[in-house]
Amino acid sequence: DAGITQSPRHKVTETGTPVTLRCHQTENHRYMYWYRQDPGHGLRLIHYSYGVKDTDKGEVSDGYSVSRSKTEDFLLTLESATSSQTSVYFCAIRRDSYYEQYFGPGTRLTVT
Amino acid sequence: ILNVEQSPQSLHVQEGDSTNFTCSFPSSNFYALHWYRWETAKSPEALFVMTLNGDEKKKGRISATLNTKEGYSYLYIKGSQPEDSATYLCAYWGDSNYQLIWGAGTKLIIKP
Repeated sequence: DAGITQSPRHKVTETGTPVTLRCHQTENHRYMYWYRQDPGHGLRLIHYSYGVKDTDKGEVSDGYSVSRSKTEDFLLTLESATSSQTSVYFCAIRRDSYYEQYFGPGTRLTVT
Repeated sequence: ILNVEQSPQSLHVQEGDSTNFTCSFPSSNFYALHWYRWETAKSPEALFVMTLNGDEKKKGRISATLNTKEGYSYLYIKGSQPEDSATYLCAYWGDSNYQLIWGAGTKLIIKP
């Protein structure tokens, strides 16, 4: 257990509404990541952070933004949710060297 | 463009049989290769991190080997059990950026 929580765990929202997912860690790790689960693709990186206020885009960042105002929290925002953003979203931290990542429990988001 | 390929995409194995699958990755600028196990409705969990050519890692009935010169890793499962059913992901770290490059996974289904 790497002390990672995600909230909410489940959410149903309507197309066009903004949605924010939260990832919280208790171990003070510098690197945090947001992934989405896509059939046939496994995990796809949305955004990542390498420190407070330091973020960068992953391979599927369109339609998503992130913020990290303190070490323990990494927020993912869908500015205007679309049905194609229905997915399970995982947050991860990088614990030590060699980039080993530890994942939160996931948030299941359904956009209707 | 860095690419990590896993084969096969899915695999059905009879309980008690042994099996193996492959992860292929770029052989240049290699730092580490990760294996993760991802059960349905759960989060991915780290199995192994391998860094040196010829590395072999073992955890119970699961083992992995690494060939960095030719860019492949094998994951072996001996005497498959129903609880081994999962998707097995590999991920490559090959340069100084902050992210792992993920394969799409091999979905393993153990038939009782």
